[in-house]
Amino acid sequence: NAGVMQNPRHLVRRRGQEARLRCSPMKGHSHVYWYRQLPEEGLKFMVYLQKENIIDESGMPKERFSAEFPKEGPSILRIQQVVRGDSAAYFCASSPAIAGAADTQYFGPGTRLTVL
Amino acid sequence: AQSVSQHNHHVILSEAASLELGCNYSYGGTVNLFWYVQYPGQHLQLLLKYFSGDPLVKGIKGFEAEFIKSKFSFNLRKPSVQWSDTAEYFCAVKAGGYQKVTFGTGTKLQVIP
Repeated sequence: NAGVMQNPRHLVRRRGQEARLRCSPMKGHSHVYWYRQLPEEGLKFMVYLQKENIIDESGMPKERFSAEFPKEGPSILRIQQVVRGDSAAYFCASSPAIAGAADTQYFGPGTRLTVL
Repeated sequence: AQSVSQHNHHVILSEAASLELGCNYSYGGTVNLFWYVQYPGQHLQLLLKYFSGDPLVKGIKGFEAEFIKSKFSFNLRKPSVQWSDTAEYFCAVKAGGYQKVTFGTGTKLQVIP
């Protein structure tokens, strides 16, 4: 059973470009979460999505950041007009849709974004 | 909103030494508690979790954690560490009924052979 997959693993962008980070949840999981890890800091929650719905985006910056989880395909975290401060590791996690089992999140390997 | 404090940012131990990493959280209601480990160059892996029941939780690789509700703590322990335990350890809390997980800032453990 493949785990959570993220691609690319490393992404380099110049200031002002767009960054698209993809996350494919574990098989059978329909809940996706995005976290950001800045250097020397813990993971910070960004957004929680279910298929075609954003459930909680309280951790998302108000501008330039968006996320989606379409009916088909991976979840996408999109950062427009990147700035150097966006350089970080972005982790995706997924959990099942079953109550109780939904309480444990399984993490992907992360995408390390570097903004030049 | 819940928060998590990990007091030790960097711990250095010799092999066979005992380990205890502190974790305190702030939230007045029901919580689910987790310890994750991140080995160098790898992604986060779940070590153990507490939802309810026995407050002493056993996880993988000989780790255990004890939930002490009165102290709002969930400390991680291992009686004898190995060099392969060198990693960063994250405590995390999820308020019951919500999906958002709050992480501590992590503790880097270095085990010297």
